[in-house]
Amino acid sequence: AQKITQTQPGMFVQEKEAVTLDCTYDTSDPSYGLFWYKQPSSGEMIFLIYQGSYDQQNATEGRYSLNFQKARKSANLVISASQLGDSAMYFCAMREGTTNAGKSTFGDGTTLTVKP
Amino acid sequence: NAGVMQNPRHLVRRRGQEARLRCSPMKGHSHVYWYRQLPEEGLKFMVYLQKENIIDESGMPKERFSAEFPKEGPSILRIQQVVRGDSAAYFCASSQGTSGVSYEQYFGPGTRLTVT
Repeated sequence: AQKITQTQPGMFVQEKEAVTLDCTYDTSDPSYGLFWYKQPSSGEMIFLIYQGSYDQQNATEGRYSLNFQKARKSANLVISASQLGDSAMYFCAMREGTTNAGKSTFGDGTTLTVKP
Repeated sequence: NAGVMQNPRHLVRRRGQEARLRCSPMKGHSHVYWYRQLPEEGLKFMVYLQKENIIDESGMPKERFSAEFPKEGPSILRIQQVVRGDSAAYFCASSQGTSGVSYEQYFGPGTRLTVT
């Protein structure tokens, strides 16, 4: 069974600094995808970044990067140069297989607050 | 290309009434997923549908909940005889399916159900 664990209910970061949000996962399937989503106070789910289990390099998207450590089963999100608009809830998710089909399993989220 | 559409965005029902939530997937998407987000929690998978078929309903409560995705028209999540514990945000996502090359599933804005 798939499982996602986010151990940080809340995090604070100073504006312009970098922050790492933790995510560990568990699956018996060798083929899977890992995702991070941002949920601002308005409630929508915004896709940030994707990492496939067979990808050799860590994924990056602008200020977002995913620190993928396969042996540790961790997929931490790194946000560089934090901005006030980054204050939101962040969810790590996983889906078995590497296509767009199938259910996703989400962690309980981390609330990030960026301080001016 | 319009994104995933959900309506209504907000729905208020009294205990015992029925709630109908609608989801129109992105154009060209034949796979639909429903998730529920209770307050202060992550998204929990409910059901995965293709046109006229339920593929995975392992997350659906055994009673009062049903879902369909007809050949024509939106996907419907139906909750009969609502109770206060059904108050949550219900998200729909869609994807192309295994024939597509993208890994991404696209989320709608959600329907916030409040049971009074």
